[in-house]
Amino acid sequence: AQTVTQSQPEMSVQEAETVTLSCTYDTSESDYYLFWYKQPPSRQMILVIRQEAYKQQNATENRFSVNFQKAAKSFSLKISDSQLGDAAMYFCAYPPPGSSNTGKLIFGQGTTLQVKP
Amino acid sequence: EAGVAQSPRYKIIEKRQSVAFWCNPISGHATLYWYQQILGQGPKLLIQFQNNGVVDDSQLPKDRFSAERLKGVDSTLKIQPAKLEDSAVYLCASSSDGAQPQHFGDGTRLSIL
Repeated sequence: AQTVTQSQPEMSVQEAETVTLSCTYDTSESDYYLFWYKQPPSRQMILVIRQEAYKQQNATENRFSVNFQKAAKSFSLKISDSQLGDAAMYFCAYPPPGSSNTGKLIFGQGTTLQVKP
Repeated sequence: EAGVAQSPRYKIIEKRQSVAFWCNPISGHATLYWYQQILGQGPKLLIQFQNNGVVDDSQLPKDRFSAERLKGVDSTLKIQPAKLEDSAVYLCASSSDGAQPQHFGDGTRLSIL
């Protein structure tokens, strides 16, 4: 089955604290990309971070980092020093088997992140 | 660099009517995607174009949905006739090629009465 699971429908974090959003997926491919996208309320979806599956080093973009566990098919997003502007819906996405280079993505159900001042 | 442009931003129609959405991708982006995002869910790919050819339309309800990308630039997505379950946000995205990240437009929010 081509699935990506975000088990946390909602999360909240205190401003300046750290939060981790979880994502698991299912693929038999060995080389692929994984993505986290952010969708603020009524605003466009933007790329947060991308991980290449063949790289063992976890990707980092400023306050955003991933914990990629290939064998466990787990791809969590860590947000450090949370800011009010981080409040949004976060989607994990990956290419279904056979689509690694086509651009086709399957998105999870999303996690709504609330940041408390 | 200008982003992905979509219009209209909002559309309200009655069921069984027809509606069309327009998308202008980032200049030079060969790959264009249309997604349907139902409230509270992740986007679902409807159709993917590479230049003016269709790469994947496996999840497009072809009895009522159609899309075209004339000249490999702008694209239109049409629904005819609309059903209540078509109420959703329709997102357009583009990328320079299939291996690159997708850039999304603001979307069109469609409400069916």
